[in-house]
Amino acid sequence: QVQLQESGPGLVKPSQTLSLTCAVSGASISGGSRYWSWLRQPAGQGLEWIGHFHTSGRTYYNPSLKSRVTMSLDTSKNQFSLKLNSLTAADTAIYYCARHDFWSGFDYWGQGALVTVSS
Amino acid sequence: QSVLTQPPSVSGAPGQRITISCSGTSSNIGAYFDVHWYQQLPGTAPKLLIYGNNNRPSGVPDRFSGSKSGTSASLVITGLQAEDEGDYYCQSYDRSQSDVLFGGGTKLTVL
Repeated sequence: QVQLQESGPGLVKPSQTLSLTCAVSGASISGGSRYWSWLRQPAGQGLEWIGHFHTSGRTYYNPSLKSRVTMSLDTSKNQFSLKLNSLTAADTAIYYCARHDFWSGFDYWGQGALVTVSS
Repeated sequence: QSVLTQPPSVSGAPGQRITISCSGTSSNIGAYFDVHWYQQLPGTAPKLLIYGNNNRPSGVPDRFSGSKSGTSASLVITGLQAEDEGDYYCQSYDRSQSDVLFGGGTKLTVL
């Protein structure tokens, strides 16, 4: 059974950089044809895709966030990370990591990590 | 404003059949990209409900079905149950699968 678990600070100050990590178990992030993804959901709102990347190096980012997003992969720890800079209150949301495949969608999700941007 | 359009809410009585629509354009759903559906129960992470337009992952009851035609897709739930109450999202792609698109979500209320 594939499991994902987000971790990171729950509170970040405006203008700072958010760093989140997603630990994966039950699957190797360096194998297969899957993409490893980040999404978010502000309270009471819908889902927003942030971006995802493949171990081959192919990376796709949401055009609206591309200038502020960096994703990376740590195959030795079987985890991947998200950095989002220049934070504002509008970045307050539950952040999810997920596994993605174009034919099967986002098939495994983490439980989500609430991030609040506030001074 | 989401690129994929869903009704904000639908409702039905237990045992009834409901349909949730997802309307796109010729650059996403109409460009032969697959549509996937997710169920998000209150306070939980989204869960894959339908993939590849009309396929159910293991463990999803056959009360849930999906279809796609032209620039639109639909999710049908038959034999509505109280535990189905939650939010439902369609998802597809744009720009040669470079962008992931979500519908705005539909809140299902079981009366």
